[in-house]
Amino acid sequence: QQQVKQSPQSLIVQKGGISIINCAYENTAFDYFPWYQQFPGKGPALLIAIRPDVSEKKEGRFTISFNKSAKQFSLHIMDSQPGDSATYFCAATQGNNRKLIWGLGTSLAVNP
Amino acid sequence: DARVTQTPRHKVTEMGQEVTMRCQPILGHNTVFWYRQTMMQGLELLAYFRNRAPLDDSGMPKDRFSAEMPDATLATLKIQPSEPRDSAVYFCASGFPWGGTYEQYFGPGTRLTVT
Repeated sequence: QQQVKQSPQSLIVQKGGISIINCAYENTAFDYFPWYQQFPGKGPALLIAIRPDVSEKKEGRFTISFNKSAKQFSLHIMDSQPGDSATYFCAATQGNNRKLIWGLGTSLAVNP
Repeated sequence: DARVTQTPRHKVTEMGQEVTMRCQPILGHNTVFWYRQTMMQGLELLAYFRNRAPLDDSGMPKDRFSAEMPDATLATLKIQPSEPRDSAVYFCASGFPWGGTYEQYFGPGTRLTVT
C-alpha cells in the first residue's frame, strides 16, 4: 500500500498564484520529510525538507507546512512562475536505513 | 561541481538481450540507490547499497535483475534477459548522512527501451 499519499496528481496554476501540493503519511516513525523537484529529462533534485519538530519551513518562495497530529505535510509555492513547471515528489524516511518512501508525484503547470 | 553520472543515457535493445547500466556516485558518498521511473508506477526503489554492501534489493525482480558495486566509484545494474516491460528510466542516486537527514543526489537517468 502507498505509505505516502500525494495529491493532486496534476495542478494548473496561473503565474503569480499559489501552488499547493499535499501529502499524507501513515507511519508515525517517519522523521524527515523532503520535497523533490523534477524537470523533464532530469533526475529529481531536493527542493526543501522538514523535520517533525517544526511546523513550517520557508526557503524563498517555497514553504513546507507540517501537521504532525494530522500526519500531513504540504508544499506551498508562492508567486508561482512558469519556470516552476515540473513534477514534485514528497517523500518520508525514518530509521537507520534512511530509505525514502516516495509519493507518486504531482505534475505542476504554471501558465504565463 | 560534483554530480552523479550515468551511462548510457539512452539504450534501445531487443527483448532477450542483456543490458548493463553504470553509475558513478559523487565522491565521498557512501550510499547508492537504483530507481526505476515509469508513468504508471512512479519512482520505484530497486536496490541500494551502503559502503558497497547491498542493504535492500527487495524492489528488484531477482530472476533477471542484478546490482553490484565493484568499487566505490562504480555501481552497475544489469538486466538479463530484458523484456519490454523493463522499458523505463533508471536513475541512480547517491547520498551521505548529514545531521540526521539524508539527501539523495540523482543522476540524469538511463532511458531504456526494450522492443
